[in-house]
Order: sequence, then structure tokens, then C-alpha cells
Amino acid sequence: EVQLLESGGGLMQPGGSLRLSCAASGFTFRSYAMNWVRQAPGKGLEWVSSISASGDNTYYADSVKGRFAISRDNSKNTLYLQLNTLRVEDTAIYYCAKGPSDHLRDYFDDWGQGTLVTVSS
Amino acid sequence: DFQMTQSPSTLSASVGDRVTITCRASQNIRSFLAWYQQKPGRAPKLLIYKTSNLKNGVPSRFSGSGSGTEFTLAISSLQPDDFATYYCQQYNTYSPFTFGPGTKVDIK
Repeated sequence: EVQLLESGGGLMQPGGSLRLSCAASGFTFRSYAMNWVRQAPGKGLEWVSSISASGDNTYYADSVKGRFAISRDNSKNTLYLQLNTLRVEDTAIYYCAKGPSDHLRDYFDDWGQGTLVTVSS
Repeated sequence: DFQMTQSPSTLSASVGDRVTITCRASQNIRSFLAWYQQKPGRAPKLLIYKTSNLKNGVPSRFSGSGSGTEFTLAISSLQPDDFATYYCQQYNTYSPFTFGPGTKVDIK
């Protein structure tokens, strides 16, 4: 059974930094593209970033480009999202989501339960 | 900029009803459309990928159709477990992967 467990969320001040982690199990992590999707309180889903199976290719939403960095450690079966220069509008639940293959341009077939990031002064 | 729209935004229905939700893309996305279900306080779950393919374990009362710019999610006979918010998502292009705004299905 696929399991994705996010951690690292919390209350941060604007301008701060945070690193989110997603521990994966139940599948061959190094063989799948991975993604981050967020959801602001009471709002819809927003794709944030994607990374290829090898980690060589990454993509970002314009709203986070230059501030967030996605990475993965295939030896630890873990996905990361480094959040820098946080803004109030980054407040959201951040979900880790698995792709169905090593292809980046694909849907998201399994999701973690999410970790809440709150940015407030 | 790429846009996805959904209609209606809210749908009130009764158990046993047939319901349909429409998703429209501002550009041709061929058949690269997925549908997700989300219940309050829970993570989204994939229902359908590539327009009409059900994820393993998804009940057959769910179906998807369409191509190009207009797509439909249908639930043939609404069950109590189906009251939720439904999102479409295009993955024809990752500039960006775009979700629709959601359709909330609630109890009439």
C-alpha cells in the first residue's frame, strides 16, 4: 500500500524559511515522479512543484518560482520542499502527491494527508 | 494564461440521483484530464485519469467523458459517500498543471 507522510509544517513569520518532508513507502520511490500541491484554507487545489524520478528535472508554479525548491533523496525514499521568503499567501495545507510513472507530465494517483503551513506575523 | 472552469460550482442532489459536472479548458488538452474527489478535512483522491479511466477500486457509478476542451464527470446513482467536492485537473501541459475551481456536491 502506498503511504506518503508529510511533516515539517508550522507557524512561520513572513520572510521565514521552512523545509517540508514527505516520507514514502509501499512503492519503488526512485521510479516515480513526485509533486507538491497546496490548498489555502477554504480554497481549491494549486499545483506547486514537480520533480522527475531521478531528480534531474524540476518544475514550479510561477507563484513560488525562485522562492521554493523541490528535491528528493531516493536513498531515503523522501521528497522535500524548501520554502524560502515565505509570504502570508503561502498559508496552506501542502500535500505530497505521487505520479503514476516516471513521466513528469502526468496526473497524481496517491496523496499524503498534508502538512499545514501558516505564515503570519 | 491557462484556465480551467467547472460548472456548476455547487450542486444539490439526493441519494439515487444522476449528477453531471462539466469541466472546460481554455486550450485543447486532448484527453489529459483527471478528476479528484475531496471530502472535508481529507486529502484529495484520484477518481479518473485520461478523461475516462477509473482508478482501481473506484465504483463503476463514476464515469468520465469528453475531449479537447470540454469534459464531464457523471455519477449514475449518487450514494451517501459521494457528497464531496470534485476537482478536474489538466496535465497536457505543466505550465502549470491546472486544477478547476471545484464543484461541491451536497445533500438536497
